[in-house]
Amino acid sequence: EVQLVESGGGLVKPGGSLRLSCAASGFTFSGYSMNWVRQAPGKGLEWVSSISSSSFYIFYADSVKGRFTISRDNAKTSLYLQMDSLRAEDTAVYFCVRGTDGDYDSWGQGTLVTVSS
Amino acid sequence: DIQMTQSPSSLSASVGDRVTITCRASQGIGNDLGWFQQKPGKAPKRLIYAASSLQSGVPSRFSGSGSGTEFTLTISSLQPEDFATYYCLQHNSYPRTFGQGTQVEIK
Repeated sequence: EVQLVESGGGLVKPGGSLRLSCAASGFTFSGYSMNWVRQAPGKGLEWVSSISSSSFYIFYADSVKGRFTISRDNAKTSLYLQMDSLRAEDTAVYFCVRGTDGDYDSWGQGTLVTVSS
Repeated sequence: DIQMTQSPSSLSASVGDRVTITCRASQGIGNDLGWFQQKPGKAPKRLIYAASSLQSGVPSRFSGSGSGTEFTLTISSLQPEDFATYYCLQHNSYPRTFGQGTQVEIK
């Protein structure tokens, strides 16, 4: 069974940093692209970032480019999102999502990031 | 960027009703579209991939159709557990974009 478990969320002040982690199990992690998707309170889904299976291809939404860094460790079957220079508008639940042929077939339960002073 | 326009934003329906939700892409995306269901406080769940393929384990009352720029999610006979918010996602190009969501409520 595919399992994706996010961690690392919490309360942080504007301008601060946070690192999210996603522990993957139940599938061959190194064979899949991975993604982060977020959802602000009461709002819709927003794609944040994607990384290919070998980390060769990386993409970011314009809203986070230059502030967020996606990475992965295939040996540890883990995905990461380093978030710097956080803003109030980054407040959201962040989902770790497995990619299959570009589509998003498995989602973690999400971790809440709150940016507030 | 490809814009996904989803309609309606909300609808009220009764158990047993046929429900149709539409997503329009601002440019052609082939069949690179998925449909997702999300219940409050839960992660989204994929229902349809490649525009019209049913995800394993998803009831057959859900179906998807379309290609190019216009796509449809149909629930043939709405069940109580189907009251949720539905999203489309295009994965033809970056940035990936979701529709704004359709909240399906009980009439």
